[in-house]
Amino acid sequence: EAAVTQSPRNKVAVTGGKVTLSCNQTNNHNNMYWYRQDTGHGLRLIHYSYGAGSTEKGDIPDGYKASRPSQENFSLILELATPSQTSVYFCASGDVGGRAEQFFGPGTRLTVL
Amino acid sequence: EQQVQQSPASLVLQEAENAELQCSFSIFTNQVQWFYQRPGGRLVSLLYNPSGTKQSGRLTSTTVIKERRSSLHISSSQITDSGTYLCAMGRNSNNRIFFGDGTQLVVKP
Repeated sequence: EAAVTQSPRNKVAVTGGKVTLSCNQTNNHNNMYWYRQDTGHGLRLIHYSYGAGSTEKGDIPDGYKASRPSQENFSLILELATPSQTSVYFCASGDVGGRAEQFFGPGTRLTVL
Repeated sequence: EQQVQQSPASLVLQEAENAELQCSFSIFTNQVQWFYQRPGGRLVSLLYNPSGTKQSGRLTSTTVIKERRSSLHISSSQITDSGTYLCAMGRNSNNRIFFGDGTQLVVKP
């Protein structure tokens, strides 16, 4: 199983501040994903990537940017954090070749005050 | 439109009872994955089952593509099985997956 790690695991930020969430995967998967999970909304896709240098918008991209500088790393950036972005964020990586199977990191709990 | 529907929304069992969780899809798919999650925890992949029947320990998944459904059977439930079970379907076009809202399972002693 792919090893996906996230940092930080917990983060408290102030409104208007910049927040960067990092994700690293060691199984050489081409695809990586950022989700947020909120009670009542389930898992929602924010951004995803097909490989180094690529980023695609998911279902709720507003207020978020993504960066994929290498095969292993995928970051989620909140340029101006707002309290509505308080959530648990999950990163995932997935295989290609027609197999839509994903493996998740442990999550980052973000609180924006 | 909700592309993945799960039932039941919640389920309470006595330890050692069996559980049957259901997932239905709005479109045909041959990419089905089942996950387990404790509150606030990581999504753990249980089974990837594009079609037919697959087993892992006490877990058995059956996916029937033409009927657009998948099920997860948990045999001899244990207290540690408590948590949320999520079903997800994929479409080959871009390897995205779409999640259901989950089934919350509580196993009591």
